Amino acid sequence: DAGVIQSPRHEVTEMGQEVTLRCKPISGHDYLFWYRQTMMRGLELLIYFNNNVPIDDSGMPEDRFSAKMPNASFSTLKIQPSEPRDSAVYFCASSFRSQPQHFGDGTRLSIL
Amino acid sequence: AQKITQTQPGMFVQEKEAVTLDCTYDTSDQSYGLFWYKQPSSGEMIFLIYQGSYDEQNATEGRYSLNFQKARKSANLVISASQLGDSAMYFCAMREVFPGGGNKLTFGTGTQLKVEL
Repeated sequence: DAGVIQSPRHEVTEMGQEVTLRCKPISGHDYLFWYRQTMMRGLELLIYFNNNVPIDDSGMPEDRFSAKMPNASFSTLKIQPSEPRDSAVYFCASSFRSQPQHFGDGTRLSIL
Repeated sequence: AQKITQTQPGMFVQEKEAVTLDCTYDTSDQSYGLFWYKQPSSGEMIFLIYQGSYDEQNATEGRYSLNFQKARKSANLVISASQLGDSAMYFCAMREVFPGGGNKLTFGTGTQLKVEL
């Protein structure tokens, strides 16, 4: 079975540009999570969805970040405008109900 | 709020030996779940093992076992017969469940394990 699929794997862009990260969860999973991992702050939950509805976005750092889940098989995390401090690895994860979350391979984002 | 503490930033173990990675947690909830994930140098996050707060027996998955001591609020990961491929960062996490189906994980800071010949 296919796991959680994230794209792109790597993204390098200049400050001020819009960045869009994409995620395809495991089929049948009803929860989708976006995390950010940095050396300084570790793994942080940014936002999560249940049945395509955002449940908790309290981890979203600021208004420059937005996330959508238009259907059960696709989600995006957008940063506009991007800043160097947004450089991190962004993970998407999905789960069925309260079963263990399965993570994608992550997107390594570098903002110059 | 829930809190997960991993006090060992780094650990070394000899190949074929067993190693215990510590994890303590703090919660006022009666129902919760504890997870361990492995993150190798390639970066992916791999689910290893799960323990529910009401589970009476310690969880085991192959060479991984979870030493769950509820009264002490600890959920240590034991890896038996260490292999070179076990070298990775290991994260302990706790699940908080909300009424209405909310479900989120809080992660510890991780322990970097290096297996030596």
